[in-house]
Amino acid sequence: SQQGEEDPQALSIQEGENATMNCSYKTSINNLQWYRQNSGRGLVHLILIRSNEREKHSGRLRVTLDTSKKSSSLLITASRAADTASYFCATATGRRALTFGSGTRLQVQP
Amino acid sequence: DAGVIQSPRHEVTEMGQEVTLRCKPISGHDYLFWYRQTMMRGLELLIYFNNNVPIDDSGMPEDRFSAKMPNASFSTLKIQPSEPRDSAVYFCASSPGTGESNEQFFGPGTRLTVL
Repeated sequence: SQQGEEDPQALSIQEGENATMNCSYKTSINNLQWYRQNSGRGLVHLILIRSNEREKHSGRLRVTLDTSKKSSSLLITASRAADTASYFCATATGRRALTFGSGTRLQVQP
Repeated sequence: DAGVIQSPRHEVTEMGQEVTLRCKPISGHDYLFWYRQTMMRGLELLIYFNNNVPIDDSGMPEDRFSAKMPNASFSTLKIQPSEPRDSAVYFCASSPGTGESNEQFFGPGTRLTVL
């Protein structure tokens, strides 16, 4: 199975609500990254959290990392219709390549 | 900066034909990655290069797939002969070679349909 697995696979919320997505992984990591993919487009990097960090913020995004549980969460606050996309976590284990999870499809209803 | 450029954006071909996908990475990036994305298998790393040298091609599905990077500004992914199961979106991504961040910058993808 893949290094990163997102949960849930799909999430539907109303505009203004918060959206939380989780990622679990199997091996030790150097950092964990979250990407967004709009339908029909390439992935776009959102945020990176290093293995020695526990929480990081960027605008409406909040990422946490628990290396003891090998898990991370992405929180999008005050969601907007434009946040509708698939969200992927990706883990870096020392080599330059990343391993991507299967993604969470987020639908924000206006 | 124009970002990562891929061509063509869409390709429809018949089984048995040769397909060549092209990628121009962001100038100055030392790493280039080829991915394939399908509903069934998600995003799979096929191969990646560092300074034009293939580092890991363990994700290349079979000998029908080949990739080259003749210079720092151009890479190709070739499928010969193509099969219907190769239908997917193929992404190219590049990454800078320095610094701690290994953030990747993705191109818009090539949607390949093999009939």
